[in-house]
Amino acid sequence: DQQVKQNSPSLSVQEGRISILNCDYTNSMFDYFLWYKKYPAEGPTFLISISSIKDKNEDGRFTVFLNKSAKHLSLHIVPSQPGDSAVYFCAAQKQRFGNEKLTFGTGTRLTIIP
Amino acid sequence: EPEVTQTPSHQVTQMGQEVILRCVPISNHLYFYWYRQILGQKVEFLVSFYNNEISEKSEIFDDQFSVERPDGSNFTLKIRSTKLEDSAMYFCASTRDISDEQFFGPGTRLTVL
Repeated sequence: DQQVKQNSPSLSVQEGRISILNCDYTNSMFDYFLWYKKYPAEGPTFLISISSIKDKNEDGRFTVFLNKSAKHLSLHIVPSQPGDSAVYFCAAQKQRFGNEKLTFGTGTRLTIIP
Repeated sequence: EPEVTQTPSHQVTQMGQEVILRCVPISNHLYFYWYRQILGQKVEFLVSFYNNEISEKSEIFDDQFSVERPDGSNFTLKIRSTKLEDSAMYFCASTRDISDEQFFGPGTRLTVL
């Protein structure tokens, strides 16, 4: 049941360049989308989110874009830094309220090349 | 900075044995969750908990699983009779209120032999 899909298992980007991670979803009930970052031996850490009423949200070097008609979102990291090397998970919720479970994608391993 | 903690970091058990995974959510959080990640697969929701009762559970969370908040700080996941396929990383998460993002613990790696 792949409601949230990240089709690229890995991505390598040169330091200083832009990293673009993609995510697609199939469930039109999803209303809120999040990106989590995960280092080895740690739990996922919240990075940035976007509500379905918006098409862009920016936080420093991180920007998330949502194309609701295409059921597609992307995370842009610019400029990419070595510390950004991690696994990035896209996640979705049916509503932005506590107690609402997260549905995760399979993750994309981002490697920043110095 | 407050964080979710989990113990043990790694648990090895024999098939059929009971295990209890422990979590201490952030102190003023009200909503609690367990997720798991089988090696190489996605993070999957198991159960959510609020006001001392289960709010939602997935099809994975069958009668072998239970959760409890035995005191004001701990949140536990019990697997009554472990199976080989229960081997996974188990993450606890918590959130304060309706508009907060979920904060995850570092996980417990469960290995069932």
